[in-house]
Amino acid sequence: EVQLLESGGGLVRPGGSLRLSCAASGFTLSSYIMSWVRQAPGKGLQWVSAISGSGGSTYYADSVKGRFTISRDNSKHTLYLQMNSLRAEDTAVYYCAKVGSFLGYFDFWGQGTLVTVSS
Amino acid sequence: QSVLTQPPSLSAAPGQKVTISCSGSSSNIGNNYVSWYQQLPGAAPKLLIYDNNKRPSGIPDRFSGSKSGTSATLGITGLQTGDEADYYCGTWDNSLNAVIFGGGTKLTVL
Repeated sequence: EVQLLESGGGLVRPGGSLRLSCAASGFTLSSYIMSWVRQAPGKGLQWVSAISGSGGSTYYADSVKGRFTISRDNSKHTLYLQMNSLRAEDTAVYYCAKVGSFLGYFDFWGQGTLVTVSS
Repeated sequence: QSVLTQPPSLSAAPGQKVTISCSGSSSNIGNNYVSWYQQLPGAAPKLLIYDNNKRPSGIPDRFSGSKSGTSATLGITGLQTGDEADYYCGTWDNSLNAVIFGGGTKLTVL
């Protein structure tokens, strides 16, 4: 059974940093593109970033480019999202998602972790 | 404002059929596959439809997807109260080089 478990969310001040983790199980992590998708309170889904199975290729939404870094450690079955220079508009639930084909769809999602950026 | 346009809300009675539209352009829906997600209250999104019209294992055939030109549609038949949720369409956008989602449709079954 595929399971994705996010952690690392919390309250951070504007300009601060946070690193999210996503522990994956039930499938061979290195074989799949993985992604982060976020959802601001009461709002819709917004794609954030994705990374190839090997970690050699990364993709970012314009809104986070230069501030967020996606990475993975396949040996630890874990996906990461390093978030720097955080802004109030980054406040959201962040979901880790397994990608079904080249960024075509997300077939499994974690339960999400809440990031709140506030002074 | 989302690149993909969905109706903000829809309502229908139990047992009825409903269709949710998702309108885009040639840079997204027109040249890429569409997926659909169901988000029950307080839960993570769940994949309902991928590659325009395919259902993952475990998704009942009450849910169907179709695409024509730059628009896609999610159909739900035999509505149940448990289908009350937010529904999102998604696809890749060749101009933005990003995954994009519709703004979501809140379905009420009453």
